[in-house]
Amino acid sequence: DAGVIQSPRHEVTEMGQEVTLRCKPISGHDYLFWYRQTMMRGLELLIYFNNNVPIDDSGMPEDRFSAKMPNASFSTLKIQPSEPRDSAVYFCASSRNLGQLSSYNEQFFGPGTRLTVL
Amino acid sequence: GDSVTQMEGPVTLSEEAFLTINCTYTATGYPSLFWYVQYPGEGLQLLLKATKADDKGSNKGFEATYRKETTSFHLEKGSVQVSDSAVYFCALSEIDKIIFGKGTRLHILP
Repeated sequence: DAGVIQSPRHEVTEMGQEVTLRCKPISGHDYLFWYRQTMMRGLELLIYFNNNVPIDDSGMPEDRFSAKMPNASFSTLKIQPSEPRDSAVYFCASSRNLGQLSSYNEQFFGPGTRLTVL
Repeated sequence: GDSVTQMEGPVTLSEEAFLTINCTYTATGYPSLFWYVQYPGEGLQLLLKATKADDKGSNKGFEATYRKETTSFHLEKGSVQVSDSAVYFCALSEIDKIIFGKGTRLHILP
């Protein structure tokens, strides 16, 4: 298995530009998570999906951020317009539902996209 | 809500020293507990897990025991190596998502 795939690995853009980050989860996983990591705030959960449906987007910082999952093998996180404070490493992770009686739900992380907004 | 508290870093040790990274949790149910590790430039990966009280998770010489009475899941290793330098995250499961601690950066000096 190729693991979780993210693209691009690095993105440098100017303030005000639109940024789109992409993620391909592990085949057969029905949960997908988007995280943001910064030195100041640590690892933050932005949004997660179950079976392509957004379940909790309370971590999305503001309306400039949006995420979609059009099918089971692809998700995007979009920032429009981008700002310097959005500079961070963005991780995608996926996991498999082992059933309601199981509280063990290991998440598999992608390598991350390092975003720099100038 | 559920939460995880772990010791702040950075932690700096010499090679072959004993390591302890403290982690305590708050949960209303009976979560599974995890330690994830993040090596430089990579995503997080599962290091070890424990799914019920008194379980001991172990991997790569690291161990942690699920202590329900003290709500703790401290990470230990008897003899650290330079290659163990990384950021370590304590975490617990909450239904369908994982709650992560803030992470502890570990530096091992040769």
